[in-house]
Amino acid sequence: GDSVTQMEGPVTLSEEAFLTINCTYTATGYPSLFWYVQYPGEGLQLLLKATKADDKGSNKGFEATYRKETTSFHLEKGSVQVSDSAVYFCAFFTGTASKLTFGTGTRLQVTL
Amino acid sequence: DTEVTQTPKHLVMGMTNKKSLKCEQHMGHRAMYWYKQKAKKPPELMFVYSYEKLSINESVPSRFSPECPNSSLLNLHLHALQPEDSALYLCASSQDKQGHTEAFFGQGTRLTVV
Repeated sequence: GDSVTQMEGPVTLSEEAFLTINCTYTATGYPSLFWYVQYPGEGLQLLLKATKADDKGSNKGFEATYRKETTSFHLEKGSVQVSDSAVYFCAFFTGTASKLTFGTGTRLQVTL
Repeated sequence: DTEVTQTPKHLVMGMTNKKSLKCEQHMGHRAMYWYKQKAKKPPELMFVYSYEKLSINESVPSRFSPECPNSSLLNLHLHALQPEDSALYLCASSQDKQGHTEAFFGQGTRLTVV
């Protein structure tokens, strides 16, 4: 069935470090892929998206490339800030259904 | 404007109370969703409305009753809840239910059942 696998957290980094959060998916067809971010006590915000193979989504210094060959959508940022501390979810809609399939979420903690 | 507005932000209710959660969007989206999120877990889908009709109910107990009065509004009526129903309830909307566009989430209602 459809699923998303994310790396286990928490991920703890020093400010200005490079970030990678791995995401691989199993899906029927080629769905649009999303990264959502959830700051403490808040709802989910769409961080970036990619709608087809080799698309690169980017926003606020974060990037992710839709890799069909490896069924991956890894999130990267060159230099993290304390304000990036949050939980990050990789997700896609299943087939023609309306169900967003989420990964388990990866908690990122950035320290000074 | 990509805003989904949920009210109230916080709600404490007793197990015999009746309350409602409200959600509103003005993006012209035709699909609206209710999700439940427990601490340290991803959101779990509860209901999907498409063009104001209920299209998916993920086997949610009848003490949760959704309603879509019009294309901009989504309600979740709560009655006789249990303490284990305490969670963050998230509303979301998307352009349609085919999954070709992203879903936008509200800030959520943090519900505590006492």
